[in-house]
Amino acid sequence: AQSVTQPDIHITVSEGASLELRCNYSYGATPYLFWYVQSPGQGLQLLLKYFSGDTLVQGIKGFEAEFKRSQSSFNLRKPSVHWSDAAEYFCAVGARGGSYIPTFGRGTSLIVHP
Amino acid sequence: EAQVTQNPRYLITVTGKKLTVTCSQNMNHEYMSWYRQDPGLGLRQIYYSMNVEVTDKGDVPEGYKVSRKEKRNFPLILESPSPNQTSLYFCASSLRGPYEQYFGPGTRLTVT
Repeated sequence: AQSVTQPDIHITVSEGASLELRCNYSYGATPYLFWYVQSPGQGLQLLLKYFSGDTLVQGIKGFEAEFKRSQSSFNLRKPSVHWSDAAEYFCAVGARGGSYIPTFGRGTSLIVHP
Repeated sequence: EAQVTQNPRYLITVTGKKLTVTCSQNMNHEYMSWYRQDPGLGLRQIYYSMNVEVTDKGDVPEGYKVSRKEKRNFPLILESPSPNQTSLYFCASSLRGPYEQYFGPGTRLTVT
């Protein structure tokens, strides 16, 4: 069975600082990987995805993520955080050619200080 | 505008009173699904539908029903709601499979 772990429940950064949100997954093969963002009172929006190929993927809003097979990780990064990035971030795993049920992590809440 | 809509956005009801939350998408997506979001638990899938002919259980289907009579609509039905179904519910759709999903704005349900 697949699983996703987001080790950090909350992350606090100062505006302008760099950001890294951690995501570790468990799956028998290379899964499909996603990061979603949920702003307060909103639904989830896809930030970026990894299916195959280049392990460094670029997303919207200046975010990027790197797939590291050896570490079973898919960490999300941004070089300079803006106050509007304050939100809940979810990592998700989708199985290839099998289950149609994705697995979401429990989320990391990003707090941005001015 | 491409979107997933849900109605109602907020609902307070009493135990046992049947309710339906509607979900509609205008992107001609094949795959639709329902999730519930609870604090500290992330999102858990309730039901999904690969297309109008295939609907199946997700991780937490107990107490819920769904219907996919046409491609654009995927209502969630609680025939006898209980307080443990108090949650934030999201409908989502994607072209094929649970991959690049588009989410609705959410329905906050309270069952007393």
